[in-house]
Amino acid sequence: AQTVTQSQPEMSVQEAETVTLSCTYDTSESDYYLFWYKQPPSRQMILVIRQEAYKQQNATENRFSVNFQKAAKSFSLKISDSQLGDAAMYFCAYREYGNKLVFGAGTILRVKS
Amino acid sequence: KAGVTQTPRYLIKTRGQQVTLSCSPISGHRSVSWYQQTPGQGLQFLFEYFSETQRNKGNFPGRFSGRQFSNSRSEMNVSTLELGDSALYLCASSSTTGTSVYNEQFFGPGTRLTVL
Repeated sequence: AQTVTQSQPEMSVQEAETVTLSCTYDTSESDYYLFWYKQPPSRQMILVIRQEAYKQQNATENRFSVNFQKAAKSFSLKISDSQLGDAAMYFCAYREYGNKLVFGAGTILRVKS
Repeated sequence: KAGVTQTPRYLIKTRGQQVTLSCSPISGHRSVSWYQQTPGQGLQFLFEYFSETQRNKGNFPGRFSGRQFSNSRSEMNVSTLELGDSALYLCASSSTTGTSVYNEQFFGPGTRLTVL
């Protein structure tokens, strides 16, 4: 079974600075999809960024970008120019068959003003 | 478009009772997935329904069941509740069954179930 590991339970960043959240996964598939979701205190899960495994180019969405290393099975999220509204729990997820998502344990991101 | 709605938002039950949670997907979406979120186990996949058929099932006991209606609304039922079933239950809807990375899943606000 596929597994997703987030080794950082908690991270802090100063407002306007850059932070990187780590994620590794295990799979025997060659084509798959990876996602980062954000869950603020409201508990509403929000998609931050997505990556298709066969695409070499790293995905970017405004201040959010990923460093996708397929051989190393690593999928880290970089948040640039951090804002107070970025404070949340961040989950890395792997999509299996259909719409099943396998989530990591999550990383709490705190943003200091 | 209205987002994914879940009812009720909060629920308190006692051990041994059963409970039914409801999820209304975004209009036009045919796939509904359910997840359980607990501090100890994190986010775990329960099952996915697409066009009234269960497509995939997670590793949960048979006390957890679900169904989907012709209008794509979905319900999940937990029978003989245990203390460990206390959790946030999230549902997510999607237009298809995940054939593209751009097939985004939209999550509802969740139902907080407390079992006493």
